Amino acid sequence: GEDVEQSLFLSVREGDSSVINCTYTDSSSTYLYWYKQEPGAGLQLLTYIFSNMDMKQDQRLTVLLNKKDKHLSLRIADTQTGDSAIYFCAEKGNAGNMLTFGGGTRLMVKP
Amino acid sequence: NAGVTQTPKFQVLKTGQSMTLQCAQDMNHNSMYWYRQDPGMGLRLIYYSASEGTTDKGEVPNGYNVSRLNKREFSLRLESAAPSQTSVYFCASSVVETQYFGPGTRLLVL
Repeated sequence: GEDVEQSLFLSVREGDSSVINCTYTDSSSTYLYWYKQEPGAGLQLLTYIFSNMDMKQDQRLTVLLNKKDKHLSLRIADTQTGDSAIYFCAEKGNAGNMLTFGGGTRLMVKP
Repeated sequence: NAGVTQTPKFQVLKTGQSMTLQCAQDMNHNSMYWYRQDPGMGLRLIYYSASEGTTDKGEVPNGYNVSRLNKREFSLRLESAAPSQTSVYFCASSVVETQYFGPGTRLLVL
């Protein structure tokens, strides 16, 4: 089956930028997503990008997609302690609405 | 507009007991999903329902059954719980591009 990989952990200082990376194997991906999960909570959709786009910006969030290398990144500008959470990358193929998730990256923001 | 709701929030079962996890959405979405989340493994799809009256297996369906009761409700049943089913269970519903998740049910099987 298709696979989505993320690094396990990222630590940054408050005010710095964070970059969370994701790679995927499905060459027929149509949409790619970033979800945020705070402790004890469900998944909150942060942003998504259509596969024919290279970049999407939404306030402090910038998503970059390199379709050739199957690489997706999420940049958080001016990272705050409230951004500490687990971030999941997910992709949707071209058959049905099912998502394949990565294992999640735990972001720790130090004051 | 509550979005996706799940009950119960927490449950402890003994091995061999049965239970049903409930999920409801008020967004008039056609598709609904059940996932389990285990440490370091992201979310894995158990079952999904593309529309009312249809259900299909996902990546890890063994030990589970589902019912799409109507457009709003999608339940997940464990007939004979096993310790390997200790997990956090998430329900989701979707429009074409986007899935919306419930708050989760934390299940411990002893």
